[in-house]
Amino acid sequence: AQSVSQHNHHVILSEAASLELGCNYSYGGTVNLFWYVQYPGQHLQLLLKYFSGDPLVKGIKGFEAEFIKSKFSFNLRKPSVQWSDTAEYFCAVREGWTGTASKLTFGTGTRLQVTL
Amino acid sequence: DAGITQSPRHKVTETGTPVTLRCHQTENHRYMYWYRQDPGHGLRLIHYSYGVKDTDKGEVSDGYSVSRSKTEDFLLTLESATSSQTSVYFCAISDFLTGGEQFFGPGTRLTVL
Repeated sequence: AQSVSQHNHHVILSEAASLELGCNYSYGGTVNLFWYVQYPGQHLQLLLKYFSGDPLVKGIKGFEAEFIKSKFSFNLRKPSVQWSDTAEYFCAVREGWTGTASKLTFGTGTRLQVTL
Repeated sequence: DAGITQSPRHKVTETGTPVTLRCHQTENHRYMYWYRQDPGHGLRLIHYSYGVKDTDKGEVSDGYSVSRSKTEDFLLTLESATSSQTSVYFCAISDFLTGGEQFFGPGTRLTVL
């Protein structure tokens, strides 16, 4: 079964610091990749997604992610974090199109705390 | 935001009682999902639906059942609630046109005493 690993469980950064959150998946075939963000007390919202093409994907709020197929990775980056980026971040993977449902496998999440 | 509502938003119940959570969408999306979110586990899929009356199990389906009699409604039932089912439950929807992206509802916080 597909698995998704987010090795950083809790990250604390000062405002303006650069961010990189790791995401690795196990499936060797065609995948679609997603990063979701969950602000405190809210539901998950999509930050960015990768389906094909340019492996460097840009999302909302200045976030970007790079798909490296050889490393089975899809790391999330932001050059300069803000206090408002404090949230939990989830990586998710879909194994192509199953025909019955587009199931996603989620990582366990990384809690980002940005201090002033 | 996608038109997804969940009810109730908060519920406290006692062990052994049945509980039904409702997810309602106004997007006419084909696929609907129920997840539970627990610290250290991320989101885990309970059940999903790929059409009216078409449902299947996810990775943590024991103790849960679902029904989908209309495109817009997906019900999750805890047949006999246990304390281990205390969690936050999220509904999500997707469709061919969303390319697999799932849109999430606001969540239901369930506490089983």
